[in-house]
Amino acid sequence: AQTVTQSQPEMSVQEAETVTLSCTYDTSESDYYLFWYKQPPSRQMILVIRQEAYKQQNATENRFSVNFQKAAKSFSLKISDSQLGDAAMYFCAYRTSNFGNEKLTFGTGTRLTIIP
Amino acid sequence: GAVVSQHPSWVICKSGTSVKIECRSLDFQATTMFWYRQFPKQSLMLMATSNEGSKATYEQGVEKDKFLINHASLTLSTLTVTSAHPEDSSFYICSAVGGHTEAFFGQGTRLTVV
Repeated sequence: AQTVTQSQPEMSVQEAETVTLSCTYDTSESDYYLFWYKQPPSRQMILVIRQEAYKQQNATENRFSVNFQKAAKSFSLKISDSQLGDAAMYFCAYRTSNFGNEKLTFGTGTRLTIIP
Repeated sequence: GAVVSQHPSWVICKSGTSVKIECRSLDFQATTMFWYRQFPKQSLMLMATSNEGSKATYEQGVEKDKFLINHASLTLSTLTVTSAHPEDSSFYICSAVGGHTEAFFGQGTRLTVV
């Protein structure tokens, strides 16, 4: 079974600075998807960024980028120029690429605090 | 992105009564929907997976007779908490997929059983 580990329960960063959230996973599959979801105080789950395992290039979405290390099974999220609105719980998630099995496996989450 | 609407956002019910939560995909056909439960300051715990027109698949430890899931159409899945008790109080979230790589989530439902 796949597992996802987030070793940082809480992180804080000064506004406008950069922060990196860690995520490692365990799988025997070669093709899969990885995601970072954000859950603000409203508790709405919002997709931040996704990465296809077959792509070597790291995904980027504006101020958000990932460092995907397939061999190390590591998938960290970097947030640049942190803003107050980035304060939230961040969940790393794994999904197999097999059609018909879109179940997500979530990590335990990292609570990110932005210091004004 | 695609939109998933979950209703109600919050509900308070008396112990022993049943509560139904709806999850609708508004602009796509959801071949699969997922129901999660989230305790305070914890991650999402998958309760069950439902595919349109077939019985839901429940995760280990989830009482299928207490948490009834119906996925009658490609745009609607419902979760009914039967004979609710205070320990069922929680935050319930649905998500849906329909040919997408990522899942889309509803707004969640805060259930309080008194």
